[in-house]
Amino acid sequence: EAQVTQNPRYLITVTGKKLTVTCSQNMNHEYMSWYRQDPGLGLRQIYYSMNVEVTDKGDVPEGYKVSRKEKRNFPLILESPSPNQTSLYFCASSSGTLSSYEQYFGPGTRLTVT
Amino acid sequence: AQTVTQSQPEMSVQEAETVTLSCTYDTSESDYYLFWYKQPPSRQMILVIRQEAYKQQNATENRFSVNFQKAAKSFSLKISDSQLGDAAMYFCAYRVPNTGNQFYFGTGTSLTVIP
Repeated sequence: EAQVTQNPRYLITVTGKKLTVTCSQNMNHEYMSWYRQDPGLGLRQIYYSMNVEVTDKGDVPEGYKVSRKEKRNFPLILESPSPNQTSLYFCASSSGTLSSYEQYFGPGTRLTVT
Repeated sequence: AQTVTQSQPEMSVQEAETVTLSCTYDTSESDYYLFWYKQPPSRQMILVIRQEAYKQQNATENRFSVNFQKAAKSFSLKISDSQLGDAAMYFCAYRVPNTGNQFYFGTGTSLTVIP
């Protein structure tokens, strides 16, 4: 089954404790992205990647890191989480022009930083 | 900076009726992609419909269609014969061309379907 998986689905952590949210896709997509969703703000792109070792900052990259060492994986790293990073996070992947860049989203990760 | 605006935070529609959700965007590009995504209470993001800017014809997917007005930078979603399962948050999205897949989303419209 074609899918984007994220782990963990739920995470409660404390300020300053480094964490990683994993994202993996099995569709051989070139493009991958991370978003955060907050009430009243919609989805905002954190980072995006067009292929292995190629990443770019989105609208809200501060406080986050990413890496793309393998085509299928795109982990999101919070080196020192803060309460303002409490949010719902989505990973997404897409192919190129043949599929009109349709994004396939993971199920989301609910992160709470206390 | 490119922006996407959804001016209707909430909308409601009677079952079997038609509703239109509005979206405007700002860009200086001529060729780009626009999308509508649905997010039901499960939180899963589901593609509803897409539009390529160079195509004059409005996209249609079953009961869902768009009114794409390129000059006005408007991209509204029409849902015909509304069903209870259409109740969800709807997001409009714009893909910035010639980037590594940079996207901008609107703030969403919460649609309630009244039986």
